[in-house]
Amino acid sequence: AQTVTQSQPEMSVQEAETVTLSCTYDTSESDYYLFWYKQPPSRQMILVIRQEAYKQQNATENRFSVNFQKAAKSFSLKISDSQLGDAAMYFCAYRASLNYGGSQGNLIFGKGTKLSVKP
Amino acid sequence: ETGVTQSPTHLIKTRGQQVTLRCSSQSGHNTVSWYQQALGQGPQFIFQYYREEENGRGNFPPRFSGLQFPNYSSELNVNALELDDSALYLCASSPPTSGGRRETQYFGPGTRLLVL
Repeated sequence: AQTVTQSQPEMSVQEAETVTLSCTYDTSESDYYLFWYKQPPSRQMILVIRQEAYKQQNATENRFSVNFQKAAKSFSLKISDSQLGDAAMYFCAYRASLNYGGSQGNLIFGKGTKLSVKP
Repeated sequence: ETGVTQSPTHLIKTRGQQVTLRCSSQSGHNTVSWYQQALGQGPQFIFQYYREEENGRGNFPPRFSGLQFPNYSSELNVNALELDDSALYLCASSPPTSGGRRETQYFGPGTRLLVL
């Protein structure tokens, strides 16, 4: 069974600085997606960034980028120029990408990392 | 474009009661998934609906059931509520698969259920 592990329950960063959130996962599949979702106190789960496992290039979305190491099964999120609005719970998630073979289409989440941003 | 919406936002029930939570999927999305998020935890998959049929289920008992309607909206029903059912219930919708590949899930704001 697939698992996702986030080893940092809490992280803190100074405004305008850079922070990296860690995530490791375990799977026997070769084709899958990895995601980072942000959940602010409003509870809405917001997609931050998506990585397709077959793509070697790391995904980027403005100030957010990932370091995807497929062999090491590592998927970290880097937030540059941190802003007060980045404060939230961040969840790493895995999902099998192919819609066949009995694999379920659900997301598998880690336990999350609470990010605080200091002014 | 309207995103995923859920109702109600908050709900208080007593042990043994039944509850129905509702979800409207994002326009063009035909798949709906439900997740339970206990306090301080990541979401756990309950089940998924596609074309009005259950299409995958997590480790939840049969008292958790669902429906999907022709307009792709969905309901989550929980019977015989237990104290441990207190959680945030999240609905997520996704568009049709493309070339056999699943698409990204987009979440609603959730329903906070408290069981006393």
